Amino acid sequence: ETGVTQTPRHLVMGMTNKKSLKCEQHLGHNAMYWYKQSAKKPLELMFVYNFKEQTENNSVPSRFSPECPNSSHLFLHLHTLQPEDSALYLCASSQEASGGANEQYFGPGTRLTVT
Amino acid sequence: AQSVSQHNHHVILSEAASLELGCNYSYGGTVNLFWYVQYPGQHLQLLLKYFSGDPLVKGIKGFEAEFIKSKFSFNLRKPSVQWSDTAEYFCAVNSFSNTGKLIFGQGTTLQVKP
Repeated sequence: ETGVTQTPRHLVMGMTNKKSLKCEQHLGHNAMYWYKQSAKKPLELMFVYNFKEQTENNSVPSRFSPECPNSSHLFLHLHTLQPEDSALYLCASSQEASGGANEQYFGPGTRLTVT
Repeated sequence: AQSVSQHNHHVILSEAASLELGCNYSYGGTVNLFWYVQYPGQHLQLLLKYFSGDPLVKGIKGFEAEFIKSKFSFNLRKPSVQWSDTAEYFCAVNSFSNTGKLIFGQGTTLQVKP
């Protein structure tokens, strides 16, 4: 059973809606990540937070807005999305965000459909 | 830019056949290497990892992978696959110069026929 939970598991939203994805990790980790998984494409890293500070923004459009209020919680706020943003959004955590022994643990993902 | 290439996109095997999935990466420095697996309807799980030491690493469920530095490769192997190995397999790399950034390959779908 995963120590990383994500809600909701499925989300359908219109292009003018505002919604948020939530991620929570119960592993005592200090780093959290958002990834986008689209069909037939590699997982794309979106954001990295290390000790609540954003350390990586992989050129993500501003319609995606992350928030990390503490080391256990990570949000992805969504507004005015496009149909091509439909994908599986994965959250992950690790002990810390470093280039060393950085094993990441993944949540089950939120399947997002933008209509 | 760093990249990871998985040569096989879709592999179909019969039970008891041997498996080898290719993974090559482009980065000249020190790296950490991972294989993740995603079973149908489940989340991504770590299968095995290489940080340092013996280049032949063993993971869960009888999987192993060999790091060949000169070939920039980290191929995944299993001598005899089972129907339950049907899943998608992802190779990933991060480097010591990265702030935790994992670079993933595009994945290989393995279908094992009973």
